[in-house]
Amino acid sequence: DIQMTQSPSSLSASVGDRVTITCRASQSISGYLNWYQQEPGKAPRLLIYTASSLQSGVPSRFSGSGSGTDFTLTISSLQPEDSGTYYCQQSHSVPLTFGGGTNVRIK
Amino acid sequence: QVQLVESGGGVVQPGRSLRLSCAASRFTFNSYGMHWVRQAPGKGLEWVAVIWYDGTQKYYADSVKGRFTISRDNSKNMLYLQMDSLRAEDTALYYCVRPRDTNSHYYYGMDVWGQGTTVTVYS
Repeated sequence: DIQMTQSPSSLSASVGDRVTITCRASQSISGYLNWYQQEPGKAPRLLIYTASSLQSGVPSRFSGSGSGTDFTLTISSLQPEDSGTYYCQQSHSVPLTFGGGTNVRIK
Repeated sequence: QVQLVESGGGVVQPGRSLRLSCAASRFTFNSYGMHWVRQAPGKGLEWVAVIWYDGTQKYYADSVKGRFTISRDNSKNMLYLQMDSLRAEDTALYYCVRPRDTNSHYYYGMDVWGQGTTVTVYS
């Protein structure tokens, strides 16, 4: 199975900050990496698919990059509504696997 | 609006069974593979199973293989998860999830999630 490792596990940043979350796969997954946001008490929401494609309706301050084993989610200017937990997920092969999550808090 | 509504969760003793259901609406259900994803209390997301759009292929997480069975009824727009030999570690919120793309069962992410149904296994 492909293991997904996210870092950091949590972060605190101010409104307007640039935030970066990284995700590493235990083997090459090409570009089959997706990012989700989950607010407390809500279902996850797809933000980025296949590493860098922005899901419809997602603000352009979110962006993704990477290929192979190393990937990055960037929030260019953090907003109050961006607080929550972010998960990466590989979609290269089953069993699909998620990273452990990054909890983003607003200072 | 595209919708997935799960039901069937509850409290059960270890070793017992439970069947989850997911009602899909406002999209062409029989064109999409479908997934179950779970989340234990206070924990991260764990993929459980996927079924092809026509039910011909099914894949499972190692943690549930041999105990859980995913199935669907395209005539009723329904997805199911039969859970047997339940364990305490199966306690979680179970989401019914649709992939983003009809031509791929999982490559392009999962863009429609239900609100989940809670399964609690304890004695």
